[in-house]
Amino acid sequence: KQEVTQIPAALSVPEGENLVLNCSFTDSAIYNLQWFRQDPGKGLTSLLLIQSSQREQTSGRLNASLDKSSGRSTLYIAASQPGDSATYLCAGRIIQGAQKLVFGQGTRLTINP
Amino acid sequence: GAGVSQSPSNKVTEKGKDVELRCDPISGHTALYWYRQSLGQGLEFLIYFQGNSAPDKSGLPSDRFSAERTGGSVSTLTIQRTQQEDSAVYLCASSLYRNTDTQYFGPGTRLTVL
Repeated sequence: KQEVTQIPAALSVPEGENLVLNCSFTDSAIYNLQWFRQDPGKGLTSLLLIQSSQREQTSGRLNASLDKSSGRSTLYIAASQPGDSATYLCAGRIIQGAQKLVFGQGTRLTINP
Repeated sequence: GAGVSQSPSNKVTEKGKDVELRCDPISGHTALYWYRQSLGQGLEFLIYFQGNSAPDKSGLPSDRFSAERTGGSVSTLTIQRTQQEDSAVYLCASSLYRNTDTQYFGPGTRLTVL
């Protein structure tokens, strides 16, 4: 059974810092790994999708990496801004059955001005 | 273009009542998923549709939960005889058709059972 873990559960940093969010998964049999952002009371916004054959994806100040062999993914945020404050979720799309997303518990990020 | 939409955005009901939650996926997306997000449980898969068929219902927590999809588009999640533990945010997602495609999420329906 796929299990996804995110560390840390919460993170607070001053504006302008570069930071890394971690995601680990127990089963490397995934099609891809997706990073989402969730603002309070809102749905999920897809940030980056990394296919299993890829090592990383970049979008603006965001860079996500994937290492299937070690079961790890990281989300790097450069030059953080207060508007980056949100909960960040990673999810692996499993190969079996419905190919559903299995989510981590999320990292609640606060960027202090 | 339009994203995934869900209605209602909020639903408050009394214990024992039935509720229906609606999801309108992105046009042309053949795969549709329902997830539930509750405190302490995180985001959990409920059911998956490919077209109008539901090949995987393994996440439905009890037989009080059912879902259907018509015309390969709109989906309805029905909860009968609601219980307080059903209180959660119900999220719908759709994707094009390939297992490598991104899943796009709607804003969710917040269900509160009193």
